[in-house]
Amino acid sequence: SQTIHQWPATLVQPVGSPLSLECTVEGTSNPNLYWYRQAAGRGLQLLFYSVGIGQISSEVPQNLSASRPQDRQFILSSKKLLLSDSGFYLCAWSVLSGNTIYFGEGSWLTVV
Amino acid sequence: AQSVTQLGSHVSVSEGALVLLRCNYSSSVPPYLFWYVQYPNQGLQLLLKYTTGATLVKGINGFEAEFKKSETSFHLTKPSAHMSDAAEYFCAVSEGGSNYKLTFGKGTLLTVNP
Repeated sequence: SQTIHQWPATLVQPVGSPLSLECTVEGTSNPNLYWYRQAAGRGLQLLFYSVGIGQISSEVPQNLSASRPQDRQFILSSKKLLLSDSGFYLCAWSVLSGNTIYFGEGSWLTVV
Repeated sequence: AQSVTQLGSHVSVSEGALVLLRCNYSSSVPPYLFWYVQYPNQGLQLLLKYTTGATLVKGINGFEAEFKKSETSFHLTKPSAHMSDAAEYFCAVSEGGSNYKLTFGKGTLLTVNP
């Protein structure tokens, strides 16, 4: 069966510091991969999605970037965090020809 | 462009009572519709989905939802609430095809009172 893991689960970072959140999917090949951000009272916002290695689409302009160095690895990064980057970040995947997105456990980021 | 509106950011029911969480969508093409549940500090778990075919779909934990095209709705119901149903529920829409990006509603927090 397929599993998705992301880490770290919780992160407290000072303003201006870098960020790296990692996500891996097991048990499938060539998945679509996604990064969502959840802010209180605002639902979930799609940040990035990827249909293959090195292929990244950004949905909103922001202080974050994403990379996909391997087929089942998706990384969310920032060079300098802002207070507004705080939130709950969710990695997700779907099969290439499927219609359902499955989510990881999430990572809490607090920028102080 | 697609959008989702969840009516009521907070719904409170008594244990054993009917649960009804409302979702209306907007989509320029036949939609795929989803309900996810999120327990505190956890990721999202798929409850059920509608893609094509039967408009009444059953999901996990006794939940079901009915796709009503004429009303552009996909309301989530459960006949009898259980304390363990307390969570936040998200309705989502995608345009299917090769575009599997989900657009989410803002969520409805369900509280179950003993």
